[in-house]
Parts: sequence; structure tokens; C-alpha cells
Amino acid sequence: AQRVTQPEKLLSVFKGAPVELKCNYSYSGSPELFWYVQYSRQRLQLLLRHISRESIKGFTADLNKGETSFHLKKPFAQEEDSAMYYCALMGGSEKLVFGKGTKLTVNP
Amino acid sequence: EAQVTQNPRYLITVTGKKLTVTCSQNMNHEYMSWYRQDPGLGLRQIYYSMNVEVTDKGDVPEGYKVSRKEKRNFPLILESPSPNQTSLYFCASSLGGNYQPQHFGDGTRLSIL
Repeated sequence: AQRVTQPEKLLSVFKGAPVELKCNYSYSGSPELFWYVQYSRQRLQLLLRHISRESIKGFTADLNKGETSFHLKKPFAQEEDSAMYYCALMGGSEKLVFGKGTKLTVNP
Repeated sequence: EAQVTQNPRYLITVTGKKLTVTCSQNMNHEYMSWYRQDPGLGLRQIYYSMNVEVTDKGDVPEGYKVSRKEKRNFPLILESPSPNQTSLYFCASSLGGNYQPQHFGDGTRLSIL
């Protein structure tokens, strides 16, 4: 079974501080992992995916198969990063499973 | 403009009155999906479709039906809505395949009284 755990419902940091949003997964196969972001009153949108190994808006995420984690990191948080962040896993059946989300607040 | 369009955006209705939420995409995507978003539960997949006439259950399919007669449309049907189906619903589409990101609609807020 596929499962995604985001242990923090809420995360609050100050502007300029580093931020890490945790994501752990459970899946017996080789997972495809994504981070989606939902800004206030906007639709959900893709932030990044592990296969691309890219940095978007200063965010990066590394897949750690040993720890079954895909934590999202940014060295210097900005106020506009305040949003709801969802980690998601897609297994072999093309079924996408989301974590429950972490609400990030970046304080001035 | 490439987009996923849901209608209606908001609906208040009563228990037992059949309703349909439409979803249409203009990107020629093969994969389409419906989710519901509830506080503290995140997004949960209701149904998904990998192509025309191919649909499959997600994690919470009870009380819902879908159909995929055309590639661009994937309506969500609530035959006999109940208050526990009050939620925010999102439709999404993608090219298909494990690496493809999903494009989401703006959401439909349903209230079942």
C-alpha cells in the first residue's frame, strides 16, 4: 500500500530562516514523488518532482530511499512562500496519494 | 490557455438530490482524476481514469460515480448526496505515466444540507 506522511500540520518560520518540510513515504516499489503547493485561494500546482532534480523558487527536495523520505528544503524563506504544501507519491498503478499537508507560515 | 475547468465552483444543495460536477481539460491529456480536500485529511483520490472508457477507484469512491466517454471530459456524479460529502473537490489531468505532474482545476465547493 502507498502511504505518505507529513508529520507537521503547521510550520512557522521567520523570513530569511531555513525551512524544511518533512515527508516520509511507504511504498514497496520504486516511487515517483512530488511536492505540490497551494497558495491562498489558488489552485494546487506542482512545485517540483524528484525525477527532475530541479530547484524551483529556491526549493529543493532529495529522495532518500534509505530513510524513505523526500523532505522539501529552502535555505532562506520568503513571506511569499507562505502556503499549504503537499507531498505526493505515485506508484505503479498511476494512483496518486497525497499527504495531509503542511501549512507553512513565513513571518516578517 | 491550457487549463482544467470545473463547474460549478460553488453549490449548496440538499440530501438526496442528484448532482453532477463537470470537469473539462483542453490539453489532450489521457489521465484525469477527482479528489476531495477536507481539513486535516489533505487530498484523497475519489476516482481516476487512464483513458477513455477506463476508470478506476481511488481511496474514497463510495457514493460517487464517474464516466469518461470523451477524452476531455470527466464528470463526477453524486447520485444521492449526503452531508458527509460536503467538501472541496478538485479535478486534475495529466499526460499519463508516472512522471507526469497533474494540472488541477480551481475546485468546486459542495455543501450538502
